[in-house]
Amino acid sequence: DTGVSQNPRHKITKRGQNVTFRCDPISEHNRLYWYRQTLGQGPEFLTYFQNEAQLEKSRLLSDRFSAERPKGSFSTLEIQRTEQGDSAMYLCASSSPWTGDDTDTQYFGPGTRLTVL
Amino acid sequence: DAKTTQPTSMDCAEGRAANLPCNHSTISGNEYVYWYRQIHSQGPQYIIHGLKNNETNEMASLIITEDRKSSTLILPHATLRDTAVYYCIVRAGGKLIFGQGTELSVKP
Repeated sequence: DTGVSQNPRHKITKRGQNVTFRCDPISEHNRLYWYRQTLGQGPEFLTYFQNEAQLEKSRLLSDRFSAERPKGSFSTLEIQRTEQGDSAMYLCASSSPWTGDDTDTQYFGPGTRLTVL
Repeated sequence: DAKTTQPTSMDCAEGRAANLPCNHSTISGNEYVYWYRQIHSQGPQYIIHGLKNNETNEMASLIITEDRKSSTLILPHATLRDTAVYYCIVRAGGKLIFGQGTELSVKP
């Protein structure tokens, strides 16, 4: 078990450019979550998937943001036309709710730090 | 909004127990209390969770009051590597709602 991995770890981009981040969850974890964390704040929920299905999206996820998990394994988060306010750490977590309730424990990756110039 | 209240910061001497309090007075009967910590520039790390009973694992102990309105995370022998922000989370549904957390500084 190698844990949740995220790539790239750091991304610097110019305002208006598109960026894409990748998250590889722990093997066989069927739930995958995206969070965003700005400096000095706790992480904020963005969206989550169960297998391929995107089950919940936060209102923080504007039209410029899109997340996919096409085969129920890895996920991508794309931000179009980046703005300086998008600068943050983007965190991915995965879990395996085999109990069927919501006591699944989320394990986080190291995050991707985005800087928009 | 986060449903928990934690002190902004705490200090602890190395080798001593660190007791981190959390108030969650509006917790519902089926909501779990989770604790995570985040060391600078890393992703949050799961510590422990519980519903009603006290819980212990290799990292920490979780003491939940009988009325479930508050809890305490105990690190029995704090080390310098335990310096981090500790988040207490009341979980309803799939997502985690983080508050500001407690910044714990372990000092030599």
